[in-house]
Amino acid sequence: NAGVTQTPKFQVLKTGQSMTLQCAQDMNHEYMSWYRQDPGMGLRLIHYSVGAGITDQGEVPNGYNVSRSTTEDFPLRLLSAAPSQTSVYFCASSYVGGQTDTQYFGPGTRLTVL
Amino acid sequence: DAKTTQPNSMESNEEEPVHLPCNHSTISGTDYIHWYRQLPSQGPEYVIHGLTSNVNNRMASLAIAEDRKSSTLILHRATLRDAAVYYCILYYGQNFVFGPGTRLSVLP
Repeated sequence: NAGVTQTPKFQVLKTGQSMTLQCAQDMNHEYMSWYRQDPGMGLRLIHYSVGAGITDQGEVPNGYNVSRSTTEDFPLRLLSAAPSQTSVYFCASSYVGGQTDTQYFGPGTRLTVL
Repeated sequence: DAKTTQPNSMESNEEEPVHLPCNHSTISGTDYIHWYRQLPSQGPEYVIHGLTSNVNNRMASLAIAEDRKSSTLILHRATLRDAAVYYCILYYGQNFVFGPGTRLSVLP
């Protein structure tokens, strides 16, 4: 199993550009989520999904879009990048998102917006 | 908003035990206590979780206070590879809420 994979590893954008961060998992997990991590801080939840076709907002959803058309993939779209979105982005998955489910995290995408 | 409180940083010597404390005074009766760690330039990884009684696995032990308002993650013999940020986490809504964690430094 590859686990949770994220692409790209690094990305530099200009203000106003759009892009999609890719996340995939091969563990047949129903629950997937996106976090962002700013320097010296913990992870903050952006969006999450409890299954294909179902998404919901987390703590910091503004400026981001998600969709979940398959169990395996959960892309995160930045609609119009802003410098405040400079961060490290982590995707995670777990079996059904239950409280006792282990969450598996990807290696992260480091995004810089100029 | 994080529901746990941890020290910002701690230091340990290699091959000595490490006790990482966490306060969670607002924990409810059904909240599990979770610990994850984040090695440098990596995503977080699972360490251990528990509800009431103490828990052990190959990575660590979790000691939970009788009133469940605090817990301690115990690394029995710290190695250089254990240098990481350790997060004590409660489940909120349908999701984990991460605080800033404790940065553990391990000295050779």
